[in-house]
Amino acid sequence: ETGVTQSPTHLIKTRGQQVTLRCSSQSGHNTVSWYQQALGQGPQFIFQYYREEENGRGNFPPRFSGLQFPNYSSELNVNALELDDSALYLCASSLASWDYGYTFGSGTRLTVV
Amino acid sequence: GQQVMQIPQYQHVQEGEDFTTYCNSSTTLSNIQWYKQRPGGHPVFLIQLVKSGEVKKQKRLTFQFGEAKKNSSLHITATQTTDVGTYFCAGPHNTDKLIFGTGTRLQVFP
Repeated sequence: ETGVTQSPTHLIKTRGQQVTLRCSSQSGHNTVSWYQQALGQGPQFIFQYYREEENGRGNFPPRFSGLQFPNYSSELNVNALELDDSALYLCASSLASWDYGYTFGSGTRLTVV
Repeated sequence: GQQVMQIPQYQHVQEGEDFTTYCNSSTTLSNIQWYKQRPGGHPVFLIQLVKSGEVKKQKRLTFQFGEAKKNSSLHITATQTTDVGTYFCAGPHNTDKLIFGTGTRLQVFP
C-alpha cells in the first residue's frame, strides 16, 4: 500500500507566476483535500475533490484551482502568485470527505520571491 | 464560521512530566480527530473520537471527547523526547471539510 506522494518537494517562484503542484493519493482513497500551512500555523483548508468533482472550498480566491483525475490523483494550480502564497502545501487523501482519518503527503514547500 | 481553538499554544516540559492540550470548537462536532506534526514534517493521523464522552488510549496518550461534543483533550503521561511536535485537533465543518485547530507545540527537554 503506497502512501500519499507530492511533487515537487520544494519550489521557488517569482511573484505573478503560475504554479502546479501534484499529488498521488493513497491506494483506495477517492477523496483528496488540499491545505495551505503557513509557518507556525495550522493547515488551512483550500478545497476538496471527490470522484473528480470539487466537493467543498475554503476561503481562498479563484486563482487557487484544482483537478482530480480518474485515478484520484490531483493537482493544485495557483495563478498570479503573491508573496503571501509562500507556504507548505499539503495534500491529504481519505476514504470519505471527513469521516475517516486523513493521510497526508510530505507537502510542497513553495517560496514566492 | 466554525473555529477550532487549542490551548496552550506552546508547552515546554521536562522529560517525564505530563502534558495536556485542550481543543474547543465553536460548534458541535460529529467527530474529532487528532494529528501530530513533527518539526519539518507533515500531520500524521493519531485517532478519531465519535461518541459523546468517549475516552480512548494509545499507550501513554489519552484522548477524550467532551459530553457536548464541542471540546476534546489529549493527555500524554510521562513525556519522552519522541513526543516533540505540534498536536492538532480537527473537526468536520458541514460535510465537506476538515477544519484544523490552532495547534499546541510541545517541546520536551531531556
